[in-house]
Amino acid sequence: DAGVIQSPRHEVTEMGQEVTLRCKPISGHNSLFWYRQTMMRGLELLIYFNNNVPIDDSGMPEDRFSAKMPNASFSTLKIQPSEPRDSAVYFCASSDRVGTEAFFGQGTRLTVV
Amino acid sequence: SQQGEEDPQALSIQEGENATMNCSYKTSINNLQWYRQNSGRGLVHLILIRSNEREKHSGRLRVTLDTSKKSSSLLITASRAADTASYFCATVFYGNNRLAFGKGNQVVVIP
Repeated sequence: DAGVIQSPRHEVTEMGQEVTLRCKPISGHNSLFWYRQTMMRGLELLIYFNNNVPIDDSGMPEDRFSAKMPNASFSTLKIQPSEPRDSAVYFCASSDRVGTEAFFGQGTRLTVV
Repeated sequence: SQQGEEDPQALSIQEGENATMNCSYKTSINNLQWYRQNSGRGLVHLILIRSNEREKHSGRLRVTLDTSKKSSSLLITASRAADTASYFCATVFYGNNRLAFGKGNQVVVIP
């Protein structure tokens, strides 16, 4: 397996634009996590899914953020409209069940100017 | 906060020395995990210790867990330059299976 695949690796966008980050988890994994990493706040859990269902989205900062998992092999994190303070590295991770070892993608570095 | 908190934040050691990092948490856990992150990369899982375990080994890594003190330590023995990275502890709490990370320890191993 190629591991967790995220796209794009880098994204630069202007304030106010919509941004969509994509994630393909490891095949057979039932849990998927979205994290945001910044120097100031560290690694924050935004949302996690179990069997494609959002279980806990309490980390989603505000209504501008939304996440979907339409099937077991694909998830998106959308920011609309984007703001400069959204600049961060966004990681997707998956595990074969909640509470076990998580496998991380390489991350998407988002810069909002 | 339910997140793990590592201590110390930054550590610089000579190759061959041991490196120890600590992590504390605030509520009951299901398990505690340690991850490594090399600069510009994703996190890589190192080791998982369950709440009913006290010590676990994996190669040059040794993890301890003290649930009475709500703390864990990660020991890297005979460090190598390739161990230079950030190390994070993460906790999975009972009743809520969030995998929550601390802020991380920066470890620099000088050749």
